[in-house]
Amino acid sequence: DADVTQTPRNRITKTGKRIMLECSQTKGHDRMYWYRQDPGLGLQLIYYSFDVKDINKGEISDGYSVSRQAQAKFSLSLESAIPNQTALYFCATSDGTFTDTQYFGPGTRLTVL
Amino acid sequence: GNSVTQMEGPVTLSEEAFLTINCTYTATGYPSLFWYVQYPGEGLQLLLKATKADDKGSNKGFEATYRKETTSFHLEKGSVQVSDSAVYFCALSAVSNTGKLIFGQGTTLQVKP
Repeated sequence: DADVTQTPRNRITKTGKRIMLECSQTKGHDRMYWYRQDPGLGLQLIYYSFDVKDINKGEISDGYSVSRQAQAKFSLSLESAIPNQTALYFCATSDGTFTDTQYFGPGTRLTVL
Repeated sequence: GNSVTQMEGPVTLSEEAFLTINCTYTATGYPSLFWYVQYPGEGLQLLLKATKADDKGSNKGFEATYRKETTSFHLEKGSVQVSDSAVYFCALSAVSNTGKLIFGQGTTLQVKP
């Protein structure tokens, strides 16, 4: 089984709808991240969490919110989706320092019509 | 601020050709440097890393050397295979960012038989 799982893998929604993307990990890591990938732009950090009570904004947090329900679960919400939030979303985990490897989930492809 | 710049893609090579993907960075202090690879339809996975100047990271025939004097971390492979076709991301993690990764825009590599 994969160490980092994301649900759903694909989602099509309409402008104005609320949507939640979920991430679960079995690696036992404290740190979790949400990234957005757009063609030609690499990955940009949306939110990150160093433990259940520590949540921080990343570079592009506007229009997004997160919830860290447990060490293993970190959800990303779009309160009112808009078309320019159409992108590939990745969850990642790591267990420590700035030298540490991040482990990525398979991604969720979100389309907002 | 911290940033990573990669060479534009796509890069198209014949099997067994030599590969170089250029990566330069801007950062204060001594960041850790990473190459991640994304195979089609999958999340990112760590390819190699280097945590201090003059370190060489290597994995699966790929190598990159941390060059502080030129602020570079170029990825090389002596003989590419069709299975190396993927998107390659250079990234840095700076001490002040406590584990957050800053990515380059990604370089698509296509290897033809």
